[in-house]
Amino acid sequence: SYELTQPLSVSVALGQTARISCGANNIGIKNVHWYQQRPGQAPVLVIYRDTNRPSGIPDRFSGSNSGNTASLTISRVQVGDDADYFCQVWDSGAGVFGGGTKLTVL
Amino acid sequence: EVQLVESGGGLVKPGGSLRLSCAASGFSFSSYSMNWVRQAPGKGLEWVSSISSSSSNIYYADSVKGRFTISRDNAKNSLYLQIYSLRAEDTAVYYCARDFMAGGYDYGAGYWGQGTLVTVSS
Repeated sequence: SYELTQPLSVSVALGQTARISCGANNIGIKNVHWYQQRPGQAPVLVIYRDTNRPSGIPDRFSGSNSGNTASLTISRVQVGDDADYFCQVWDSGAGVFGGGTKLTVL
Repeated sequence: EVQLVESGGGLVKPGGSLRLSCAASGFSFSSYSMNWVRQAPGKGLEWVSSISSSSSNIYYADSVKGRFTISRDNAKNSLYLQIYSLRAEDTAVYYCARDFMAGGYDYGAGYWGQGTLVTVSS
């Protein structure tokens, strides 16, 4: 089965840039979606199809996908960005989530 | 406003059954594929099942195949998940989630309910 690998945790200073990776074999040919989940809340879609932001998502959030790695980049990190982030793809008739990355804002 | 409200969770003994429901409002339910995603306590997200707008295409995670049945009633704007032969490892919050795009494929899950907790324990 297809597996997505994310770092368990990423720390970033307030106002700096955070990058969260999502690795898998040839992920560059798949559509990658990213979700933010704050404690006690439902997930929120922040990036769909690699690079697209739903309405209401700040342009500080951006995505990329190439080769074996997709990435979520959060610029000018704010306290409210402190959350878990999950990447997700669709593979052979099944949804697949990465294990999740805990973003800590210092 | 899009709203998804799950119900039907609770405490169930191993081997038991449960039917989860998701009441949808604020959008044309019959135009969207729908999904169930679960999250065990303190763990990550796990995709469970998806159903297309007309129920013509249904998919399951290997971990639930043969024990879970997804269905929908477009006349009632409702999504369901029938769960049989519950195991301790099925303990999780179960989220109902709507595809981001109508009629689209692989655009992610754009709207989520608040989830319903299923606890499997003797």
